[in-house]
Amino acid sequence: GNSVTQMEGPVTLSEEAFLTINCTYTATGYPSLFWYVQYPGEGLQLLLKATKADDKGSNKGFEATYRKETTSFHLEKGSVQVSDSAVYFCALRDDKIIFGKGTRLHILP
Amino acid sequence: GAVVSQHPSWVICKSGTSVKIECRSLDFQATTMFWYRQFPKQSLMLMATSNEGSKATYEQGVEKDKFLINHASLTLSTLTVTSAHPEDSSFYICSAPTGGAYNTEAFFGQGTRLTVV
Repeated sequence: GNSVTQMEGPVTLSEEAFLTINCTYTATGYPSLFWYVQYPGEGLQLLLKATKADDKGSNKGFEATYRKETTSFHLEKGSVQVSDSAVYFCALRDDKIIFGKGTRLHILP
Repeated sequence: GAVVSQHPSWVICKSGTSVKIECRSLDFQATTMFWYRQFPKQSLMLMATSNEGSKATYEQGVEKDKFLINHASLTLSTLTVTSAHPEDSSFYICSAPTGGAYNTEAFFGQGTRLTVV
């Protein structure tokens, strides 16, 4: 069945550092790919999405490109802020929404 | 944007009793809703897909008789944990996609923290 694998956390970075959170997927069809973020004490929010190969999703300085050849959807940000501290979930959707295990990100001032 | 409301946000119940959790899409219709369980510091595990007007589809290993799902209208799905036991204590989250196409966004409820004592 479909699955999502993302890098284990926690990830700790200093403010203004470059961020990459790796995500790869296994799917039989042509799913859409998403990154969701869960801030402390809050529910999940959509961060960005890409619906087909080579699409790039972007929001709040975060980007991810749908790479069919490598079945990847890595999340990147050029300069992180303390307010980016949260748990990030990679997900794919076909008839269901399947999540990766989540990566906890800590940004130090 | 679209809003999904989940109620209650937390509940404590005695072992052996049943608990009902509601998930409502407030400003859109949802023919499908998803129910997840999230363990501490872990991912969301899909439990079942709730389908309006028909039976829910359960994931492998999820007990249908234990976790009763009803999707009676286009804006409401309920999850009832029957005869709850301490091992059912968890964080339950519902999600409603805004459309049936795979590229449509899903919105999430705030979650329900269930504690069975």
